[in-house]
Amino acid sequence: NAGVTQTPKFQVLKTGQSMTLQCAQDMNHEYMSWYRQDPGMGLRLIHYSVGAGITDQGEVPNGYNVSRSTTEDFPLRLLSAAPSQTSVYFCASSYSRDGGYTEAFFGQGTRLTVV
Amino acid sequence: AQKVTQAQTEISVVEKEDVTLDCVYETRDTTYYLFWYKQPPSGELVFLIRRNSFDEQNEISGRYSWNFQKSTSSFNFTITASQVVDSAVYFCALWGPGANNLFFGTGTRLTVIP
Repeated sequence: NAGVTQTPKFQVLKTGQSMTLQCAQDMNHEYMSWYRQDPGMGLRLIHYSVGAGITDQGEVPNGYNVSRSTTEDFPLRLLSAAPSQTSVYFCASSYSRDGGYTEAFFGQGTRLTVV
Repeated sequence: AQKVTQAQTEISVVEKEDVTLDCVYETRDTTYYLFWYKQPPSGELVFLIRRNSFDEQNEISGRYSWNFQKSTSSFNFTITASQVVDSAVYFCALWGPGANNLFFGTGTRLTVIP
């Protein structure tokens, strides 16, 4: 049982390049989400999904796309990287219990630098 | 609107001191869940506690305790007899059905000095 797996762990991009951050979970969780963590700003939600085929925007969605074709995978695409997207990215999954949201299970994070 | 405020940006204590990390939240939902996470220097996010809005009992787990007060919209976290291994950034978070996702505070960096 691997939990939430994010790849890559580190990435350097040039401004204007595109890339996809991968996220996979093997716990059959319906909720998946992407956060970015910047110094002094906590974790901010980029996009989230409540099930396969359903995605929605979070607090800071601009410059990012997501899709959820399967329960297991939730990739995050950077369309045209900008230095402002330099950050640590976390993928998380969760499921509903007692009418609410359980604790989020986080991946190890991806440290992205855009030069 | 959902909001989580952790007013303490950084705290330093000497080992064996007690320390309380404050968390104040805002939500219009009547049912919601509150969480605390720890982020040690290695960077991973470690779940500590989940509390629903109907359960106002304080909780104790070893050296950790949580005080939930609905009247003041606070969910404070106390570490008793702090240890160097407690040095980390601690995040408070809120989930409510209105927004249907998890909102984090900006975190409190705790440094325990040996």
